[in-house]
Amino acid sequence: GAVVSQHPSWVICKSGTSVKIECRSLDFQATTMFWYRQFPKQSLMLMATSNEGSKATYEQGVEKDKFLINHASLTLSTLTVTSAHPEDSSFYICSARGRGYGNTIYFGEGSWLTVV
Amino acid sequence: KNQVEQSPQSLIILEGKNCTLQCNYTVSPFSNLRWYKQDTGRGPVSLTIMTFSENTKSNGRYTATLDADTKQSSLHITASQLSDSASYICVVALYYKLSFGAGTTVTVRA
Repeated sequence: GAVVSQHPSWVICKSGTSVKIECRSLDFQATTMFWYRQFPKQSLMLMATSNEGSKATYEQGVEKDKFLINHASLTLSTLTVTSAHPEDSSFYICSARGRGYGNTIYFGEGSWLTVV
Repeated sequence: KNQVEQSPQSLIILEGKNCTLQCNYTVSPFSNLRWYKQDTGRGPVSLTIMTFSENTKSNGRYTATLDADTKQSSLHITASQLSDSASYICVVALYYKLSFGAGTTVTVRA
């Protein structure tokens, strides 16, 4: 079946630095990718939706200058947390929808970000 | 107020027993309702997807039901195994706009 891969699975960075998380669709072309944030014991919160080759659409309250999303190809989307702060520490998950996959959306394994 | 409410918030069951998780939603209209299993620290994995016209869908020991009239869904786990310990998330989709429940944490004990 379709697989969505995220990298890194966990990362620790210093406050003030930027960190990039990659989301790849391994065996299908992802026309749309979604980025979520999840705090412990809470549901996933949609941050933004990105379509290949166009700018991401951010949810209300999500700072687009802080969470940079790029969907440059049909198999890769990246989320860059800029000038990270401890409150950005969270679990970030991507999902992808591909051509010909109907209503199926596949989730990545998630990436743990800890900002110290 | 969340449009997808799940209950119970958590439950503990003995290995081999059955359990049923509930999902009430207010999202309307909707395209489909999904149940996902999420292990701690991992991404969600799809268990079932039901359109509004489907009443039940099974995936191995997991059986989901849907009553679109009362806007309720349930996920039944049969003969639970230790590996079933996870969070189970109900998701109501309108095309690709997903509304997530907070999940039910299931702990299966030997």
